[in-house]
Amino acid sequence: QVTLKESGPALVKPTQTLTLTCTFSGFSLSTSGMRVSWIRQPPGKALEWLARIDWDDDKFYSTSLKTRLTISKDTSKNQVVLTMTNMDPVDTATYYCARMGAETDWFDPWGQGTLVTVSS
Amino acid sequence: NFMLTQPHSVSESPGKTVTISCTRSSGSIASNYVQWYQQRPGSSPTTVIYEDNQRPSGVPDRFSGSIDSSSNSASLTISGLKTEDEADYYCQSYDSSNLVVFGGGTKLTVL
Repeated sequence: QVTLKESGPALVKPTQTLTLTCTFSGFSLSTSGMRVSWIRQPPGKALEWLARIDWDDDKFYSTSLKTRLTISKDTSKNQVVLTMTNMDPVDTATYYCARMGAETDWFDPWGQGTLVTVSS
Repeated sequence: NFMLTQPHSVSESPGKTVTISCTRSSGSIASNYVQWYQQRPGSSPTTVIYEDNQRPSGVPDRFSGSIDSSSNSASLTISGLKTEDEADYYCQSYDSSNLVVFGGGTKLTVL
């Protein structure tokens, strides 16, 4: 059974850097074709894709946020880490991680999400 | 890059059929597969359609997907509506750089 779980601070101050961790089980990110993405959703608003890291360490970023994002993986710990710099109140959202499998170009499954509020 | 435009909301009665559209602003809708996700209140999204018209195991055959090149859009059709289908639905595709694009979401009310 594949599961993912997001963790990180619930509250960050404006201008701070956010670090989120996605801890997963049921698959290995060293397996060819495996990929993990981060997606966020502001309260009451739509989903927004942020970044993806692949089994071969290829990385992809949202065009609008790429200057603020860094994604990395620790295969031995089954973790993917996302950092977002210069946080602003508009970045308040639920942040999800989700897997894409070797032959599955869609997000399945998703983690439960973690709500991050940006406020002074 | 392109946008995927969905109606903000749709509503229909139990037992009826509803179709949610997802229109691609530029480039062909057939260029990249379209996925559909269901998000019930307070829950994470789950896949109801992948690769334009494929249903994951466990998704009822009341859910179907299609694309229409003439309108450059994808559609999610739910027949025999049940109250449990009330949720937000998002379409998703990829751009030419393999970056993910989500639609703005459609709130389905089953009344």
